Amino acid sequence: GENVEQHPSTLSVQEGDSAVIKCTYSDSASNYFPWYKQELGKRPQLIIDIRSNVGEKKDQRIAVTLNKTAKHFSLHITETQPEDSAVYFCAASIKAAGNKLTFGGGTRVLVKP
Amino acid sequence: DSGVTQTPKHLITATGQRVTLRCSPRSGDLSVYWYQQSLDQGLQFLIQYYNGEERAKGNILERFSAQQFPDLHSELNLSSLELGDSALYFCASSVDPLGEARAFFGQGTRLTVV
Repeated sequence: GENVEQHPSTLSVQEGDSAVIKCTYSDSASNYFPWYKQELGKRPQLIIDIRSNVGEKKDQRIAVTLNKTAKHFSLHITETQPEDSAVYFCAASIKAAGNKLTFGGGTRVLVKP
Repeated sequence: DSGVTQTPKHLITATGQRVTLRCSPRSGDLSVYWYQQSLDQGLQFLIQYYNGEERAKGNILERFSAQQFPDLHSELNLSSLELGDSALYFCASSVDPLGEARAFFGQGTRLTVV
């Protein structure tokens, strides 16, 4: 089945700097790649997603890039703020397999003021 | 608010007991997914239902079972509970597993087995 690896597991950045989280997936049939933000004890919240027919997507300070050939995708957060501190999860899914999400292990991001 | 409702929010029970977690999907969503998140761990897929039928199964223990009812709400049954079953259990819903892939999560049920 699908396997998603996520790096780094922890990331500490200074407020205002950029943060980059990288994920790789194993199944070339994967066609949907969402990113979720989870604050302590809360639900994972969808923050951005990208489909396999798109190489890049941006929404204000966050952007996601997808390299289908290399089977990796990345989350970029610019001008980080303390409220960006959370655990971020990448995921991948395959439409033909019912779209169940396979998650990476998560990245704990700490933005230092 | 994602529109996905889970009850109860918290559950404390003893080893060996059985509990039922409930999930109501967003209005219009036909597919429900269950995930388990242990302390400081990732999200492990348990099982998926679509329009009342089991669609996919992940690493779900035989002691666990689920179903989706005609009104599309879903229940996850956990039996013969062990200390290691303590975790956050999330459900998520999406419109159509073969169409729109966006999944939205409920607030979770925190299960503590003592």
